Amino acid sequence: QQPVQSPQAVILREGEDAVINCSSSKALYSVHWYRQKHGEAPVFLMILLKGGEQKGHEKISASFNEKKQQSSLYLTASQLSYSGTYFCGTDPGANNLFFGTGTRLTVIP
Amino acid sequence: DGGITQSPKYLFRKEGQNVTLSCEQNLNHDAMYWYRQDPGQGLRLIYYSQIVNDFQKGDIAEGYSVSREKKESFPLTVTSAQKNPTAFYLCASSIEGGQGNQPQHFGDGTRLSIL
Repeated sequence: QQPVQSPQAVILREGEDAVINCSSSKALYSVHWYRQKHGEAPVFLMILLKGGEQKGHEKISASFNEKKQQSSLYLTASQLSYSGTYFCGTDPGANNLFFGTGTRLTVIP
Repeated sequence: DGGITQSPKYLFRKEGQNVTLSCEQNLNHDAMYWYRQDPGQGLRLIYYSQIVNDFQKGDIAEGYSVSREKKESFPLTVTSAQKNPTAFYLCASSIEGGQGNQPQHFGDGTRLSIL
């Protein structure tokens, strides 16, 4: 039930945009997004609920297409502080989350 | 400040030894979780607890045990039956369990290594 994330890694220059995708084979009630910096705890970014909503958090936003069981995280005008590994966590109604293997994002000056 | 405290930050285990990782939260959250993180594999659920005195196995529970005697504490024991325990262990909590609309808050993790 682990979701599939793509790409596995991406390198950006400051100011560039990126999209990270998360796809599940199961019907989903919600999708969570977290960012983890090396050796630190994952930090919650946002939750998208069933209903196909889109949410934003500063210059980071996300969408959730429940029919396709997919979510995408959009990072615009990237900053150095955006570097880290991004995880999606999917909820198929199983009382817990299933996390993807992560997308390593590196922003360079 | 409210949060989740994991200790120790680094832990070493000898062959055949059981070790216990501590996780304490003062967020008044009902649900708590233990994850294992290996390089390139994301987070895998070991055990979770939605309420005091109750817990369920996750995807990789073999070789691990937990207890939930107090709301704020959810210790994880890595037993000698766990043959490959070297990993980064993360504890998390959420306001309620079984609710996909609740974010999970993570501790800073414990890195366990075999001597």
